[in-house]
Amino acid sequence: DTEVTQTPKHLVMGMTNKKSLKCEQHMGHRAMYWYKQKAKKPPELMFVYSYEKLSINESVPSRFSPECPNSSLLNLHLHALQPEDSALYLCASSNSGSSVETQYFGPGTRLLVL
Amino acid sequence: GENVEQHPSTLSVQEGDSAVIKCTYSDSASNYFPWYKQELGKGPQLIIDIRSNVGEKKDQRIAVTLNKTAKHFSLHITETQPEDSAVYFCAKSYQKVTFGTGTKLQVIP
Repeated sequence: DTEVTQTPKHLVMGMTNKKSLKCEQHMGHRAMYWYKQKAKKPPELMFVYSYEKLSINESVPSRFSPECPNSSLLNLHLHALQPEDSALYLCASSNSGSSVETQYFGPGTRLLVL
Repeated sequence: GENVEQHPSTLSVQEGDSAVIKCTYSDSASNYFPWYKQELGKGPQLIIDIRSNVGEKKDQRIAVTLNKTAKHFSLHITETQPEDSAVYFCAKSYQKVTFGTGTKLQVIP
């Protein structure tokens, strides 16, 4: 099973709302990632968790707050977002976070900030 | 040295023809080069990858070549089918994955 699941599939939120995106994998992977993808652009890395510890933060604004409750779950907490944060948010996982490993992507959450 | 250039940005081919997408990079440390296919409304899916100690890899109708000296790598799809229509991203990896700008492939029946 090489599946990464993400919920919700779609999310509309106002700039004062607080919401969370969820990601889950059951492949026994120990590295998980959040990417942001704007329309007609490649995915851009936001955060990397390796063995449940945050290992990379690509200078993401603090209105995005990642959390890794256990090795199978990854959350992205959203607060006070801006309309320009509207995008497809992709979660991925890989075996251990090595640079030569395949990353498996979920279907994404399409976020619209009004 | 972080960017990956990808060409062409759009590509239309007749069903049954071949499609070639090329990528170039500039750093010497990258050692893993995956290719992803992204269909509308879906996340990227790995279709083939190559590591820096290999020059060529083939999987049925898909092949990838890597020239590490020249710092370029290419995706070749033969006997294209309409279901190959999608956006294709090359990528390089060293510490983190950096994606190319994408190629929108349209296979015309």
